[in-house]
Amino acid sequence: EDKVVQSPLSLVVHEGDTVTLNCSYEVTNFRSLLWYKQEKKAPTFLFMLTSSGIEKKSGRLSSILDKKELFSILNITATQTGDSAVYLCAVGLNDMRFGAGTRLTVKP
Amino acid sequence: GAGVSQSPRYKVAKRGQDVALRCDPISGHVSLFWYQQALGQGPEFLTYFQNEAQLDKSGLPSDRFFAERPEGSVSTLKIQRTQQEDSAVYLCASSFRQGLEAFFGQGTRLTVV
Repeated sequence: EDKVVQSPLSLVVHEGDTVTLNCSYEVTNFRSLLWYKQEKKAPTFLFMLTSSGIEKKSGRLSSILDKKELFSILNITATQTGDSAVYLCAVGLNDMRFGAGTRLTVKP
Repeated sequence: GAGVSQSPRYKVAKRGQDVALRCDPISGHVSLFWYQQALGQGPEFLTYFQNEAQLDKSGLPSDRFFAERPEGSVSTLKIQRTQQEDSAVYLCASSFRQGLEAFFGQGTRLTVV
């Protein structure tokens, strides 16, 4: 059975901290791994990773995939209160299967 | 349209009532997905379309759930004889083609009372 596991389930940090969110997977027919940010409404797309070892970066966020060890990490540096959200990892097969998410709370 | 549009945004149904949830994907997007998200959980896959073909419906929880996309654009998720456990946010997403990033609508929050 396909499985996507995220850790930690929740995390509380203070502004300025750096956080690392983890996503491990066991799937057949892997195509891609995607990260989304979900605040109150729809998940918004952050990154799509298809190749191992190539870091994707957008501002203070970055992500990398390890296809040998079957995991990905999402890093957020210099966190801000606006980063507070649920971060979802999804593994793309023909469709997308999501993990349960990591709820990040950034305190001022 | 500019983004994925879902309607209604909120729906309250009495137990046993049938409901229909609509999704308008981004124009030209071939792939369309439906997810069910319970409070505090990640989105759970329900079904997937490529154009009008329903390629995977393995996530539909029971035969009370039915989805269609007859012309390869707008999709409808129908739930018959709703039950309390159907209460959730139903998310629709579309992508330009298989394997690319998907964009989500705002969801329909269904409450069954």
